[in-house]
Amino acid sequence: QVQLQESGPGLVEPSETLSLTCSVSGDSINTYYWNWIRQPPGKGLEWIGSFSHSGSANYNPSLMSRVTMSVDRSKNQFSLKLTSVSAADTAVYYCARARFDDLWSTYYFDYWGRGTLVTVSS
Amino acid sequence: DIQMTQSPSSLSASVGDRVTITCRASQAISSYLAWFQQRPGKAPKSLIYAASRLQSGVPPKFSGSGSGTDFTLTIRSLQPEDFATYYCQQYNSYPYTFGQGTKLEIK
Repeated sequence: QVQLQESGPGLVEPSETLSLTCSVSGDSINTYYWNWIRQPPGKGLEWIGSFSHSGSANYNPSLMSRVTMSVDRSKNQFSLKLTSVSAADTAVYYCARARFDDLWSTYYFDYWGRGTLVTVSS
Repeated sequence: DIQMTQSPSSLSASVGDRVTITCRASQAISSYLAWFQQRPGKAPKSLIYAASRLQSGVPPKFSGSGSGTDFTLTIRSLQPEDFATYYCQQYNSYPYTFGQGTKLEIK
């Protein structure tokens, strides 16, 4: 059974860097695309970006200047860094796996982590 | 960015009912459309991808249809655990975008 687990500080000060890790168990981190999605309290879902095991990255233009994603194949983990955070970055952050659809030659989300709440406050 | 608009934003129904939720894309996205269920305080759960294909383990009471710009999610024989918020998502092009959600409540 594939499981994803987010981890990282629950409180980050304004202007600092938010750093989260997603640990993957039950399957290799290779082959898939790995995504971060966030959800401000009481609001909808926002895709942050996607990163492949081979190093190909796509970020949401609204966050691109502040986002970096990476993969650590030795630990079967992938990570998110978001710089210069403000209160607007307060949200539950989810990691999600995207697998390849042979029929449509594209990637779609299948497994999600449970999410971790990050609050930006001094 | 492709805008995804769901209707209705909220919906009241009874146990045993059948309901349909609509999702419209601001431009054609072929069949690159997914649906997710989110119960309160929980992570989203993947239900459908490629507009109509069920994720592994999802019961066939859930069904999806559509292509291009107009899509639907139908849930038949509602049970208490089905009352949740449902989101559509396009993965035709970056940035991936989600609908605003449809909250399905018990009448």
